[in-house]
Amino acid sequence: DIQMTQSPSSLSASVGDRVTITCRASQGIRDDLGWYQQKPGKAPKRLIYGASTLQSGVPSRFSGSGSGTEFTLTISSLQPEDFATYYCLQHNNYPITFGQGTRLEIK
Amino acid sequence: EVQLVQSGAEVKKPGESLNISCKASGYIFTNFWIGWVRQMPGKGLEWVGIIYPGDSTIRYNPSFQGQVTISADKSLTTAYLQWNSLKASDTAIYYCARRVALDIWGQGTMVTVSS
Repeated sequence: DIQMTQSPSSLSASVGDRVTITCRASQGIRDDLGWYQQKPGKAPKRLIYGASTLQSGVPSRFSGSGSGTEFTLTISSLQPEDFATYYCLQHNNYPITFGQGTRLEIK
Repeated sequence: EVQLVQSGAEVKKPGESLNISCKASGYIFTNFWIGWVRQMPGKGLEWVGIIYPGDSTIRYNPSFQGQVTISADKSLTTAYLQWNSLKASDTAIYYCARRVALDIWGQGTMVTVSS
């Protein structure tokens, strides 16, 4: 199985901050990676696909980069509605695997 | 509008069987994979398996193989996740999502297994 190591597991930040979350794959996955946001009591919502393509309707303050084994999700200026849990997902190889999640909290 | 609408919450006893559903609309059902994801209380996301309704090809996460059954009914544009004998450890929210890359998600089905 491909292991997705996501860091940090939690993060405190303030409105307006720039935040970066990282996912490392245990082997190369090309750009077969997505980023998801999950708010309490809600289904996950895809933000980024193909490692760097913004899902339609997602604000441009979200961006993704990377290829191979190292990937990042950046939020350029945190807004109150961005406080949530974020997951990466690789779909290069079965079984599909998620990162452990990053809980983004208000400082 | 592409939508996946899941069946409602279930409360079951250990050993009972269960079938939950995921009704697709707004796209050609047979052209896209539908996957299932588990989220245990307070925990992260785990991929259960996936089905291609066009030819019923199924892939399971080895961790779930033999514990659940995935199926689909093309005429009803609905995918299913089935248990023959539930355990307390099956208590979780189960999500369906479209495509291998899981682009569109259902709202989730809460399954509670308790004696």
